[in-house]
Amino acid sequence: DAKTTQPPSMDCAEGRAANLPCNHSTISGNEYVYWYRQIHSQGPQYIIHGLKNNETNEMASLIITEDRKSSTLILPHATLRDTAVYYCIAPNSGGYQKVTFGTGTKLQVIP
Amino acid sequence: NAGVMQNPRHLVRRRGQEARLRCSPVKGHSHVYWYRQLPEEGLKFMVYLQKENIIDESGMPKERFSAEFPKEGPSILRIQQVVRGDSAAYFCASSPTREGWDEQFFGPGTRLTVL
Repeated sequence: DAKTTQPPSMDCAEGRAANLPCNHSTISGNEYVYWYRQIHSQGPQYIIHGLKNNETNEMASLIITEDRKSSTLILPHATLRDTAVYYCIAPNSGGYQKVTFGTGTKLQVIP
Repeated sequence: NAGVMQNPRHLVRRRGQEARLRCSPVKGHSHVYWYRQLPEEGLKFMVYLQKENIIDESGMPKERFSAEFPKEGPSILRIQQVVRGDSAAYFCASSPTREGWDEQFFGPGTRLTVL
């Protein structure tokens, strides 16, 4: 698995876009980038994943740099319910869910 | 569609007792994973099971811990002779396929407190 690095915490005003960065400079060509979040006292929740192209779904957008060494998760209009710890992981292709989630980024959405 | 269910949600044990944590995967999911989350830390992989088989238990301590996923019934994570350091949140996840990262669902976790 590629090592990922995220800032420990971020604040975002309610209604504004939250941009959460992740560095994964050792990622290999076939490793996807996945994002999960964990709301307090709950299990992690899958958000989005991508390989090379930018991705968007109903929850978020994922922007991956051309060299694939970093990515940004974008929550376009953050709400108070988006307050959570966000994890960026890059598991080995062909591997099952054998990965350690780092400490992630604690996003606090402020009213 | 019921998600992953774990019980109990909270479990208190005294040192030396046994803890049994149960996980019922999403209906139709045959791949189950257990993770442990120590306070203020991220989740760490413990064990990966398919029905009646342990595929990878490399993240599980070699002593006192065991896991099973029988043909019928929930997956069980068993901790014998618990110690204070076992206090953590234990999460179970299930997926329909081996690599179903985007189809993986986590349960709400069991919070184990060892007195």
